[in-house]
Amino acid sequence: GQNIDQPTEMTATEGAIVQINCTYQTSGFNGLFWYQQHAGEAPTFLSYNVLDGLEEKGRFSSFLSRSKGYSYLLLKELQMKDSASYLCAVSDSNYQLIWGAGTKLIIKP
Amino acid sequence: NAGVTQTPKFRVLKTGQSMTLLCAQDMNHEYMYWYRQDPGMGLRLIHYSVGEGTTAKGEVPDGYNVSRLKKQNFLLGLESAAPSQTSVYFCASTKDGSGANVLTFGAGSRLTVL
Repeated sequence: GQNIDQPTEMTATEGAIVQINCTYQTSGFNGLFWYQQHAGEAPTFLSYNVLDGLEEKGRFSSFLSRSKGYSYLLLKELQMKDSASYLCAVSDSNYQLIWGAGTKLIIKP
Repeated sequence: NAGVTQTPKFRVLKTGQSMTLLCAQDMNHEYMYWYRQDPGMGLRLIHYSVGEGTTAKGEVPDGYNVSRLKKQNFLLGLESAAPSQTSVYFCASTKDGSGANVLTFGAGSRLTVL
């Protein structure tokens, strides 16, 4: 079966760095997405990785290793507004998105 | 540009009642999707459409029907609501079905079935 695993909840301190991991087992691979979802709101796109390596976008970076079935989202200089759920999703061989359950990130002052 | 608009935002139904959720997008996107989101679970695809006049089943289609009569609209119907359909429903769209396409989501519709 197809599976996406990510931690249920993480806590970090304002100004610090946090890494949210995602491991996947899917039928084929056509890219991995990270979305951010604030409570009560819709998911919004953060990043897309299809090749191995690190993609940097401001305070957020996303890493992919296809051979290990592994990705992480790195958030630097954490701000209170970064408190949200972070969703990992993989596009499989049929270009269907398989979603993880999301990681709730709590930022403490 | 409104993006993706869902109506209604909230609805309470009694078991056995029917209702329709409306999704409208103004981005000329070909693909549209209906997802449900439940606590502790990933987004689950209910139905999707690859273009006007087409629909296809997703991961959890039972108890739902959809229609895409116009390119900009995608309707999700519940013919006889059940408590198990209590959820938050998200509509989304993409330009096409290629791997790199980013989903644009509507704000969500929270449905409670008593």
